[in-house]
Amino acid sequence: DAGVTQSPTHLIKTRGQQVTLRCSPKSGHDTVSWYQQALGQGPQFIFQYYEEEERQRGNFPDRFSGHQFPNYSSELNVNALLLGDSALYLCASSLGGTRGSLHFGNGTRLTVT
Amino acid sequence: GQQVMQIPQYQHVQEGEDFTTYCNSSTTLSNIQWYKQRPGGHPVFLIQLVKSGEVKKQKRLTFQFGEAKKNSSLHITATQTTDVGTYFCENGQNFVFGPGTRLSVLP
Repeated sequence: DAGVTQSPTHLIKTRGQQVTLRCSPKSGHDTVSWYQQALGQGPQFIFQYYEEEERQRGNFPDRFSGHQFPNYSSELNVNALLLGDSALYLCASSLGGTRGSLHFGNGTRLTVT
Repeated sequence: GQQVMQIPQYQHVQEGEDFTTYCNSSTTLSNIQWYKQRPGGHPVFLIQLVKSGEVKKQKRLTFQFGEAKKNSSLHITATQTTDVGTYFCENGQNFVFGPGTRLSVLP
């Protein structure tokens, strides 16, 4: 039973560049949520995708966008990277667009220099 | 949005001692989730609480949801070194995580 997988595991980018992070949900799950976790802080909700649409969004600028594919996998795109975007980006999957238990991936560590 | 606060921020205990972390909200919560994140790891779901006054147990862990559904607690009895990590509560209505309580256990 495959868990949540994220790629890449680590990434280094320069200010102003764009980045795409990828996530495959746990087998049987159809909902993907993205979180940003700065060092020493709790995860901050970015947005949730269900049925290929953005259903909920946290307090993040439009530079953060996403997509969900028919196979339920998802991408997080961040444009015009800032130093403050350096963080661990976590993907979590769940079922039926609900707020049931989230299953997190290991995350992508993004460093912006 | 509906923020959740957690206290304490840090807790250092001797192995075998008990530990409690508290999660508080200024508004009523529809439900609350608890997660544990080991150092260098990702959050792992522990429990969901939905009903007012609900108490759930998982071995040495006891979770409570307040009668007014504005607060919750996680209590660990006789801590072990494997309990080390950060414990987060999450407002299940708006996806907001608390800042977490970091637990260290001295052997």
